[in-house]
Amino acid sequence: KQEVTQIPAALSVPEGENLVLNCSFTDSAIYNLQWFRQDPGKGLTSLLLIQSSQREQTSGRLNASLDKSSGRSTLYIAASQPGDSATYLCAVLGYALNFGKGTSLLVTP
Amino acid sequence: EPEVTQTPSHQVTQMGQEVILRCVPISNHLYFYWYRQILGQKVEFLVSFYNNEISEKSEIFDDQFSVERPDGSNFTLKIRSTKLEDSAMYFCASSEQGVGYEQFFGPGTRLTVL
Repeated sequence: KQEVTQIPAALSVPEGENLVLNCSFTDSAIYNLQWFRQDPGKGLTSLLLIQSSQREQTSGRLNASLDKSSGRSTLYIAASQPGDSATYLCAVLGYALNFGKGTSLLVTP
Repeated sequence: EPEVTQTPSHQVTQMGQEVILRCVPISNHLYFYWYRQILGQKVEFLVSFYNNEISEKSEIFDDQFSVERPDGSNFTLKIRSTKLEDSAMYFCASSEQGVGYEQFFGPGTRLTVL
């Protein structure tokens, strides 16, 4: 059974710092990996999708990498801003999305 | 930009009552999904739906749950007899095609069972 783990569970950084969020999964037989952002009490906003054949994907200040063989993905956020404060969820796709518990990020001014 | 919409945003019901949660997926998408998130827990897959049939379902999706595409735009999740433990945020999602395609989520319906 696929298990998705995200470390750290919570992170607080001052504005302007670059940061890395980690995601690991136990079964490398995945179709893709998606990173989401969730604001408190809100829905899920898709940030990046990495196909299993890709190594990384970039969107603006976000860069996600995927190492399928080792069961790891990272989300790199450059020059963090207070507006980046949210919970970031990693999800791997088998026949459905299997989510981690998320990393709660707080960026302080 | 096209988006998935869900109604209502919040539903309060008494235990044992039936509820129907509604979703309008993105118009050219063919695959539809329901997920739920109990407060403080992971988002969990419930069911996927394609071509008017259930494609996959999780062990959570028991006989109390059903899904339907009653017309060309709506996708519904029915819970026949709600239990306290059904209290959660329910998310609808859709994707253009099936496995491997990006899923887009709606804002969720918060279901509170009293």
